[in-house]
Amino acid sequence: AQSVAQPEDQVNVAEGNPLTVKCTYSVSGNPYLFWYVQYPNRGLQFLLKYITGDNLVKGSYGFEAEFNKSQTSFHLKKPSALVSDSALYFCAVRDYGGSGNTGKLIFGQGTTLQVKP
Amino acid sequence: GAGVSQSPSNKVTEKGKDVELRCDPISGHTALYWYRQSLGQGLEFLIYFQGNSAPDKSGLPSDRFSAERTGGSVSTLTIQRTQQEDSAVYLCASSLVRDNYEQYFGPGTRLTVT
Repeated sequence: AQSVAQPEDQVNVAEGNPLTVKCTYSVSGNPYLFWYVQYPNRGLQFLLKYITGDNLVKGSYGFEAEFNKSQTSFHLKKPSALVSDSALYFCAVRDYGGSGNTGKLIFGQGTTLQVKP
Repeated sequence: GAGVSQSPSNKVTEKGKDVELRCDPISGHTALYWYRQSLGQGLEFLIYFQGNSAPDKSGLPSDRFSAERTGGSVSTLTIQRTQQEDSAVYLCASSLVRDNYEQYFGPGTRLTVT
């Protein structure tokens, strides 16, 4: 069964410092990986995805993620954090399922990012 | 363009009542998903619709939950005889298969069962 793990409930970083939000995955085939962000009282917003190709994926708001097949990781990164980046971040993997490609996503538990001025 | 919309944004209901939650997907999106976001439970898949295919209901937690999608567009999630454990934010998402399943989420409906 496909699964995603976000080992940190919360990440604290000072504004201007680089940030990393960790994600590891377990899939039976080629992984389709996603990062979403949720601001308070808002729905999820798509940040970036890895389907194939370059291991470094660039997304919205200056975020990027590095796909590492040997470590089964897909960590989210940003070179310089902003206070406005403070939000809840979800890593997700497409579920293959027994009936084929349904496209449904399996989400990690989420990591709260707190950026302090 | 318009994104995914959901209504109502908030719903408070008494235990035992039925509720209906509505989702309007992005026009032209053939796939529609319902998820539930509970405190301490993360995001949980409920049901998936794709075109005219039979829906994937594998995530529905009990037979009190059902959903339909009329005309390949609007979807309604119905919870019968609500229980307190049904309290959560219900999120709807839509996508185009050709976009490699990149899903666009609505703002959610916060359901509180008292």
